[in-house]
Amino acid sequence: KNQVEQSPQSLIILEGKNCTLQCNYTVSPFSNLRWYKQDTGRGPVSLTIMTFSENTKSNGRYTATLDADTKQSSLHITASQLSDSASYICVVSATGGGNKLTFGTGTQLKVEL
Amino acid sequence: EAGVAQSPRYKIIEKRQSVAFWCNPISGHATLYWYQQILGQGPKLLIQFQNNGVVDDSQLPKDRFSAERLKGVDSTLKIQPAKLEDSAVYLCASSITSRAEQFFGPGTRLTVL
Repeated sequence: KNQVEQSPQSLIILEGKNCTLQCNYTVSPFSNLRWYKQDTGRGPVSLTIMTFSENTKSNGRYTATLDADTKQSSLHITASQLSDSASYICVVSATGGGNKLTFGTGTQLKVEL
Repeated sequence: EAGVAQSPRYKIIEKRQSVAFWCNPISGHATLYWYQQILGQGPKLLIQFQNNGVVDDSQLPKDRFSAERLKGVDSTLKIQPAKLEDSAVYLCASSITSRAEQFFGPGTRLTVL
């Protein structure tokens, strides 16, 4: 069964600090992995996408890494801002059968002053 | 470019009542998805349309949920009758093709009392 697990479940950090969110997956055959940001009351918005051959991808202060051998990914947020407060969801896509996505349960991040 | 539109944004009903949600995907997007996101969980695919045909409805509770996309553009999702456990955010997403990035709408938050 395809699964995506994320940790921690929730995280509180001070503004300006860095943090790293983790994602482990058992999705096969692997196509790509996305990190989404979901603000409260809004739909998820894609931050990064990585395929099998990519091991790092940046989008501003967000840097995602992928280790396809260990089936792990991380999302690193640098110099956090209050607007980074959101749920971050790891989503893995399998090849074949269209674009079926397996969603993680998300990490709820809160950035405080 | 306009995003995925959904209405209503919020709905409160009593159990056993009926409710309908509407989604207008991004223009030109052939694939449309409805997801259910229960609080604290990742989205779960309910149904996927390719134009006006159903591609995947394996996780749609067909005894009470129905969806249609008659003209291959807008879509409606209906619940009849609603149960307490249907309380969730219902997300609509669309993509140009079934393998392309999915863009999500803001969701409809349903509360069943």
